[in-house]
This record gives sequence, C-alpha cells and structure tokens, in this order.
Amino acid sequence: NAGVMQNPRHLVRRRGQEARLRCSPMKGHSHVYWYRQLPEEGLKFMVYLQKENIIDESGMPKERFSAEFPKEGPSILRIQQVVRGDSAAYFCASSLYPAGFSTEAFFGQGTRLTVV
Amino acid sequence: AQTVTQSQPEMSVQEAETVTLSCTYDTSESNYYLFWYKQPPSRQMILVIRQEAYKQQNATENRFSVNFQKAAKSFSLKISDSQLGDTAMYFCAFMKHDKPEIIFGKGTRLHILP
Repeated sequence: NAGVMQNPRHLVRRRGQEARLRCSPMKGHSHVYWYRQLPEEGLKFMVYLQKENIIDESGMPKERFSAEFPKEGPSILRIQQVVRGDSAAYFCASSLYPAGFSTEAFFGQGTRLTVV
Repeated sequence: AQTVTQSQPEMSVQEAETVTLSCTYDTSESNYYLFWYKQPPSRQMILVIRQEAYKQQNATENRFSVNFQKAAKSFSLKISDSQLGDTAMYFCAFMKHDKPEIIFGKGTRLHILP
C-alpha cells in the first residue's frame, strides 16, 4: 500500500506564476489535509477536505489560495500569482476517517515551493 | 487558541545516551490529544508517539516514552539508548478531540553523535 504521494517534490516558480501541488492520498483514504511549513517553523494547518467537499479552510489565506479534492484524481492545492512569501514546504496528509487519536493522519514527503 | 512551545531549538547527545525533549502547550480544552512527530532529512513526517489527555498513564513506544503532566501542560519526550537514526527534527503537536487539525510546535533539531 503506497503512502501519501505528493508531486512534484520540488517546484520553482517566478513571481506572478501559478503553482499547482498534487496529493494522492493513501488507498481508501477520503480525508485530506494540507499544511504549510515555513523555514525553521512547524507545520501550519491550511485546509481539510473530504471527497468533493471543503470541510475546514480556516488556515487558508483568503486570496490566491484554493484547494480541491475531486471525486476522481488527486487533491490539488493551487496558488495563483505566487509571491516570495509563498516559498515553503507544503505537506499533504490523509486519513481513513477524520484524524484523531485512533485515526492516524499519514503525511507525504511534501512539495518544496521556491518562488524566484 | 491553542499553542505549542518547544524551548530547545537544537540538542546534541552521544549515541546510546538518553535525551529528553521538552514541550509545553496552552489550551482551555479538557479533552485533547498530544503527539510527537519526527521529521528526518527526507522531510517525511513520522508519528512517534501519542497520548490522550484523559489518560494519566504515560505512553511508551519501545525506546520512546513521554512524561505527561496535565496540570503543568507539559509533554516531554524521552528517547532511551539513542541511535544515529534518531537524528531528526522532532515536533510536539496538539489536537482537539473534535477537530482533526494538528497544531505543531516549532521543533527541536536533535543530533545523535557517534
């Protein structure tokens, strides 16, 4: 059973371009979470999605950022008109049920976005 | 709002020694979960150990154990017989029981020296 797969591992974008980050959850998992890790910081929650629905986007910046988890295919985190401050590692996690004590959220290896 | 504080940015210990990583948190919740995650150079986040707040008994996973002091809101991680493969960033984390959002501390970079 493959783990959470994120691609690309590294992404370089010029200021003003769009960044699309992909996350394929573990097989059978329908709950997906996106986190952002700034340099020398812990991960910060961005958004929680369940198939075709956004459950909680309280950590998502109001502008330029969007996320989706379609019925078929990977979850996508989209950042429009990227700025230098968007440079970070973006992690996806997935779980079988809503993550909690007994339901572990499994993390991918992250996508490191660099905006030049 | 919940916060997690790790006061040790970086630590180094000799192989086979025991090391303790500190973590404090702040919350008004009575029911919650606490975790320690390991992030090696590969960047993969790996769950090391977890604790339920209503359980007084400290969790243990092989060489890893915690000292959970609920009244003091302290959740330290002890690594016994440390190994070179334990070298990593370690993150203390908090989760409310009714919301699947993990709140992470800033991490402690641990070096195990040969």
